[in-house]
Amino acid sequence: LAKTTQPISMDSYEGQEVNITCSHNNIATNDYITWYQQFPSQGPRFIIQGYKTKVTNEVASLFIPADRKSSTLSLPRVSLSDTAVYYCLVGERGHTPLVFGKGTRLSVIA
Amino acid sequence: EAQVTQNPRYLITVTGKKLTVTCSQNMNHEYMSWYRQDPGLGLRQIYYSMNVEVTDKGDVPEGYKVSRKEKRNFPLILESPSPNQTSLYFCASSFVRDNTYEQYFGPGTRLTVT
Repeated sequence: LAKTTQPISMDSYEGQEVNITCSHNNIATNDYITWYQQFPSQGPRFIIQGYKTKVTNEVASLFIPADRKSSTLSLPRVSLSDTAVYYCLVGERGHTPLVFGKGTRLSVIA
Repeated sequence: EAQVTQNPRYLITVTGKKLTVTCSQNMNHEYMSWYRQDPGLGLRQIYYSMNVEVTDKGDVPEGYKVSRKEKRNFPLILESPSPNQTSLYFCASSFVRDNTYEQYFGPGTRLTVT
């Protein structure tokens, strides 16, 4: 499984766009990139998944450059309720075990 | 409502007293797994199951047992709990939506072993 590197923490003001970058230099051909969000004392929640280029859903966008060695989760106009830990995971798509790293603790300030 | 449920949500027990944490999902998912989360260590997988009667070890299986006799249930068994198993435990089931694979996590069980 590819190892991922993310910033430990980030701060943002309400209403701003937040971009969290994840580095995964040894990503394999069959690997997908998935992001999860976790609030304190709750289970992680799926945000978005992608393989290449750009993926967008109702809550976030995922940007993946052509070499796929990194990815960026973009959260538009964050609010206080977006304060959470965000995890970047890389692995084959399917019903496979997830390997969570340390994640990025995002703090949104009013 | 589609969900993964865990019981109990909180448990304080003593060393050596066998306990079971139940996990149930109502989404007919084939894949289920157990994780533990500890400060500074993140989430680590304990056991997983690809289908009924099919289970396998994750990263930290020592001291735990699981069973998968029915598709919807995946209990976690601690035969002789020890203080180092004090942790926050999550059960998850996996499904496909819009061509993406998602793991859906339960609310968690906070276990304290004294």
